[in-house]
Amino acid sequence: DGGITQSPKYLFRKEGQNVTLSCEQNLNHDAMYWYRQDPGQGLRLIYYSQIVNDFQKGDIAEGYSVSREKKESFPLTVTSAQKNPTAFYLCASRSSPGIEQYFGPGTRLTVT
Amino acid sequence: GQQVMQIPQYQHVQEGEDFTTYCNSSTTLSNIQWYKQRPGGHPVFLIQLVKSGEVKKQKRLTFQFGEAKKNSSLHITATQTTDVGTYFCAEGSNYQLIWGAGTKLIIKP
Repeated sequence: DGGITQSPKYLFRKEGQNVTLSCEQNLNHDAMYWYRQDPGQGLRLIYYSQIVNDFQKGDIAEGYSVSREKKESFPLTVTSAQKNPTAFYLCASRSSPGIEQYFGPGTRLTVT
Repeated sequence: GQQVMQIPQYQHVQEGEDFTTYCNSSTTLSNIQWYKQRPGGHPVFLIQLVKSGEVKKQKRLTFQFGEAKKNSSLHITATQTTDVGTYFCAEGSNYQLIWGAGTKLIIKP
């Protein structure tokens, strides 16, 4: 059963702690993406990766970090430097030369 | 940089009424993709338009790409409760998508 998995679905952290969100895909897609969505808002790109061991900053990369050591995995770390980390985080992937992005179910992060 | 403006932000309709969302750009769009996000869910790809003046239909959904490739619309005929959600347009360029802010379809009780 192919797809994208994100875990956990809900995550709660105290301010000042780093937290890592998981994203795994078994679609054999080259490109992977991380988006942030705030209530009533569109999607904003945090980071994307076109190939293993390579990634680029998106529009709102400050306070976030990523790695792409394996094709299947693209974890996102929300650092304590991110001023407003509470949000819905969506991971996506795309085949090459596919057109559509496939999304995981998302992780709702709450930082208090 | 490139921006895709999407309106309206919300649209309240009675079940059975029609719904339309519009995307506009000041520059020519290479293509336009449409996604639907159900409440609490994740975006799901609906369709891509590439050609000037292109019109595509999926059951009660009609997608249009403007002649100048600077605007696009999604029209839903006779809305049903299953249509509830937020509809996003996005332009695909290189490996990124430039997203509109979305239009939320709300069915009045």
